Amino acid sequence: AQTVTQSQPEMSVQEAETVTLSCTYDTSESNYYLFWYKQPPSRQMILVIRQEAYKQQNATENRFSVNFQKAAKSFSLKISDSQLGDTAMYFCAFSYGGSQGNLIFGKGTKLSVKP
Amino acid sequence: NAGVTQTPKFQVLKTGQSMTLQCAQDMNHNSMYWYRQDPGMGLRLIYYSASEGTTDKGEVPNGYNVSRLNKREFSLRLESAAPSQTSVYFCASSGTRNTNTEAFFGQGTRLTVV
Repeated sequence: AQTVTQSQPEMSVQEAETVTLSCTYDTSESNYYLFWYKQPPSRQMILVIRQEAYKQQNATENRFSVNFQKAAKSFSLKISDSQLGDTAMYFCAFSYGGSQGNLIFGKGTKLSVKP
Repeated sequence: NAGVTQTPKFQVLKTGQSMTLQCAQDMNHNSMYWYRQDPGMGLRLIYYSASEGTTDKGEVPNGYNVSRLNKREFSLRLESAAPSQTSVYFCASSGTRNTNTEAFFGQGTRLTVV
């Protein structure tokens, strides 16, 4: 069975500091995508960053970057210069079957950014 | 572009009632999905449609039916609602003929079954 595990139910960080959210996954597929989605209180699902498994280079999007360790099946998200607007639930997700929409999600990490 | 539009945004049903959740996308995507989100959990796939005219079960399909009405629209039907179906439901779409895109989500429908 394919699974995604987020071991940190809640985290907090001071504004302007850096925080890392952890994610591990399990799959037998060789070609897949990994994602971090943000869900603010509005409940809208917003894509933060995406990583293609065959690419060794870690993805970055402005203040967001990932540490992708394929052999260890680890996919952590680093948020630099945290902002109050980063307060949200963050979900790690894995896509399977060749489609980026067939997703398996972790249970999420609730991130609070404190002023 | 509106993206993915779901209706309604909120709904309260009595046990045993039926209803249909509507979803439409204007991004010319081939694939569409229905997910549910329960407290303390991530989203779980109910059904998906890889292309117009096809539908397949996801992780939690029991108690639901779907219809891919055309390329734009994908509906989710609860024939006899149960309290266990109280959840937030998300529709999503992805992928064009030439591009394997990430999923774009609607704003969700909060459904309460009493």
